[in-house]
Amino acid sequence: DVKVTQSSRYLVKRTGEKVFLECVQDMDHENMFWYRQDPGLGLRLIYFSYDVKMKEKGDIPEGYSVSREKKERFSLILESASTNQTSMYLCASSDDRGGYSNQPQHFGDGTRLSIL
Amino acid sequence: AQKVTQAQTEISVVEKEDVTLDCVYETRDTTYYLFWYKQPPSGELVFLIRRNSFDEQNEISGRYSWNFQKSTSSFNFTITASQVVDSAVYFCALSEGPPGNTGKLIFGQGTTLQVKP
Repeated sequence: DVKVTQSSRYLVKRTGEKVFLECVQDMDHENMFWYRQDPGLGLRLIYFSYDVKMKEKGDIPEGYSVSREKKERFSLILESASTNQTSMYLCASSDDRGGYSNQPQHFGDGTRLSIL
Repeated sequence: AQKVTQAQTEISVVEKEDVTLDCVYETRDTTYYLFWYKQPPSGELVFLIRRNSFDEQNEISGRYSWNFQKSTSSFNFTITASQVVDSAVYFCALSEGPPGNTGKLIFGQGTTLQVKP
């Protein structure tokens, strides 16, 4: 079974802090994604990556950056945390299958981040 | 622009009732994929089904069935004889197809299903 592991289930940080959310997958997937989930808005894509050191902006990248130094690890960085970044953050990965990237995404358990 | 709408925010049923979750999508692509995910209280999204735009056959998996109708841009999900364990948030999602596809998913707002004993 695919396993996507997020480093923390719950995290509390203060405004202005630099925050790192880590995600690791164990299935050698090419694609990795970071979403945030807010009530009434569903999941919104922040950033994604289809290869090591590659990254693409999603729909709401402002205030975030990402890092993918190794294939299995995709990190989300809040450069200077603000209260409006309090949310549930979900990481996902998917297989590329030779460029046809519509394989199902497999999700981690999520990190509930609170910015005080 | 691509968009997914799940108009039902919350649905509450009694165990053993059948329930249908609606999903309407918008896309200009001729090739696309549709997905349903389940998010139980534990938080992890669980993949349920993927459908491509060329396959309009309905699908049944146990108590779950899906009705894909391109004419109305809908991909509805029915649970037959619902059970308490079906209580979760259900998301419908859309992904553009090749060429140039990136695997990005556009999610609907989600429907919270509560099944009461």
